[in-house]
Amino acid sequence: ELKVEQNPLFLSMQEGKNYTIYCNYSTTSDRLYWYRQDPGKSLESLFVLLSNGAVKQEGRLMASLDTKARLSTLHITAAVHDLSATYFCAVDRTGGTSYGKLTFGQGTILTVHP
Amino acid sequence: NAGVTQTPKFQVLKTGQSMTLQCAQDMNHNSMYWYRQDPGMGLRLIYYSASEGTTDKGEVPNGYNVSRLNKREFSLRLESAAPSQTSVYFCASLDVNTEAFFGQGTRLTVV
Repeated sequence: ELKVEQNPLFLSMQEGKNYTIYCNYSTTSDRLYWYRQDPGKSLESLFVLLSNGAVKQEGRLMASLDTKARLSTLHITAAVHDLSATYFCAVDRTGGTSYGKLTFGQGTILTVHP
Repeated sequence: NAGVTQTPKFQVLKTGQSMTLQCAQDMNHNSMYWYRQDPGMGLRLIYYSASEGTTDKGEVPNGYNVSRLNKREFSLRLESAAPSQTSVYFCASLDVNTEAFFGQGTRLTVV
């Protein structure tokens, strides 16, 4: 059974600081996704990581994937209040040409304060 | 381009009542999914459909049925609602090498 664990689950950051959210998973996969969710809203796609060593950046967020270590990181640079949200990683359990059965981590609730 | 559309957005049911959650996507994706979200547990897969005409159980299928009506539509049915099915339900679709696109969610309360 695939398990996906995020840490920390709660993160209170000061504006301007840097921090990293970690996503560990238990079985082989080379597809990992990061999503953002605002309270009462749907999930918004942030990054799709499809191969070992993949690194993607968008604004103050950067995601990376190490399939050998079964680890993805979401790095936040110089946090601003607008980044306050819940962040999920999700791992695709299926392999080969199959895809899409995502297993989600528990989510990291990020609060950025002045 | 509407993406993934779910109806209804909110619903209150009495224990034992039935209802169907509707989902439609206009992105011509082959695969569609139903997830439920409960506090502190992320999203869990209920059922999925890899392509038109096929459906399979996910992680938490008990108490639910699904229908892949055509390539666009994938419905989720609760035959006899229970309080344990109180949750937020999300429909999603995706295609190869893309991320999953999620609907706006249905907040269901069973009393």
